[in-house]
Order: sequence, then structure tokens, then C-alpha cells
Amino acid sequence: KQEVTQIPAALSVPEGENLVLNCSFTDSAIYNLQWFRQDPGKGLTSLLLIQSSQREQTSGRLNASLDKSSGRSTLYIAASQPGDSATYLCAVTYGKLTFGQGTILTVHP
Amino acid sequence: GAVVSQHPSRVICKSGTSVKIECRSLDFQATTMFWYRQFPKQSLMLMATSNEGSKATYEQGVEKDKFLINHASLTLSTLTVTSAHPEDSSFYICSASHGTGTGELFFGEGSRLTVL
Repeated sequence: KQEVTQIPAALSVPEGENLVLNCSFTDSAIYNLQWFRQDPGKGLTSLLLIQSSQREQTSGRLNASLDKSSGRSTLYIAASQPGDSATYLCAVTYGKLTFGQGTILTVHP
Repeated sequence: GAVVSQHPSRVICKSGTSVKIECRSLDFQATTMFWYRQFPKQSLMLMATSNEGSKATYEQGVEKDKFLINHASLTLSTLTVTSAHPEDSSFYICSASHGTGTGELFFGEGSRLTVL
């Protein structure tokens, strides 16, 4: 059974800091890995999608890496802003989508 | 990007009534849609996979007679919570695959159900 774990559960940083969110999964036989953002009471916004054959994806200030063999992915956020405050979820697809518990990020001015 | 719309975004109902939630893919056809449930401060849990024109596949522990799923067209799937009870109060989110082969999923805004 695939299990996805995200560390830390919560993170509070001052504006401008670079930060890293971690995601690990137990079964490396995945099709892809996605990072999502969820604002309180809202649905999910897809941030980055990494196929199993890829090592990383970048979009603006976001960079996600994937090390399938070790079952790890990181989401790097550069120059964080208060508007980045949200819950960040990673999810792996291996036939079905399994989510981690999420990291609650707070960026304070 | 692809857009998935959910309606209603919020619904309050009395215990014992049924509530229908719609999930629409607005600019693409989705042969498969997924329904998730999210409890406060927890991650999403897959409830069922909805395939157009066939019966939904439910995850273990999800009552199919309680949560009726219909996927009558390539752009619409509905989730009906029958005889709702307070413990059914939750945040329900649907998703659909764009079908480009990347496996990327797009999510609706979610529907907050409160059963009194």
C-alpha cells in the first residue's frame, strides 16, 4: 500500500526566505508526482507535475525535484511571499492518486 | 489550463435529506472523474472513481448506496449524498483527468456540505 508523508506538517517563515517542503512515498513504482496548493475552504490548484522519467520541473519561483529510487520529492519556493501562505499537498499516481497530509505554510510580512 | 467546476460550493441541509453535487469539466472531455472527501485538517481521501457510461468504482469502506455517483456524460459527474446525517458533513472535491496522457489531474473548487 502506497503511503505518502510530508514534512514538516507546518512551517512559518518571514517573507523573502527560500524554503523547502519534503514529500516521501513508500512505493517507487509511480506514474507521476504532483504538487498542489490548497487555500482554506478551497479546492486544489495544480502547481507542478513531474513524470516518473523526469527529475525536476520549474514554474516561476517554484522548483520540484523527484528522486524516484529513494521515494522523495522536494518543493523549493524561492523568495517566499505572504501570498504563498496555503497548504501544500503532494500526491503520487500509481493507478490511483494518493495524497500526503500536507504542509501548512505561513509566510509573514 | 483545464477547468473543472463544482456546484454548489456550499450547501446546508437537514438530516435525512439528499444532496446532489455536480462536477463539470468545462473545456475538455473527461472519461474519468474522481471524488474525494476531506475532513478538517486532513488530506484528501479518494471515495470513488467515476467512469463515463459505467458504474463507479468505490474505495473500500465507502458505502455505494450512501454516496451515489453518476457519470452520464463526458463532461458531468454527480455525487448524491443520500439520507444525509451530520457525520456526512465534509468537504467534497472532484477531479478529472485532462486526457493528454500526462496523468495530470485538475480539481474542482470543492463543495462544503453541512448536515444539521
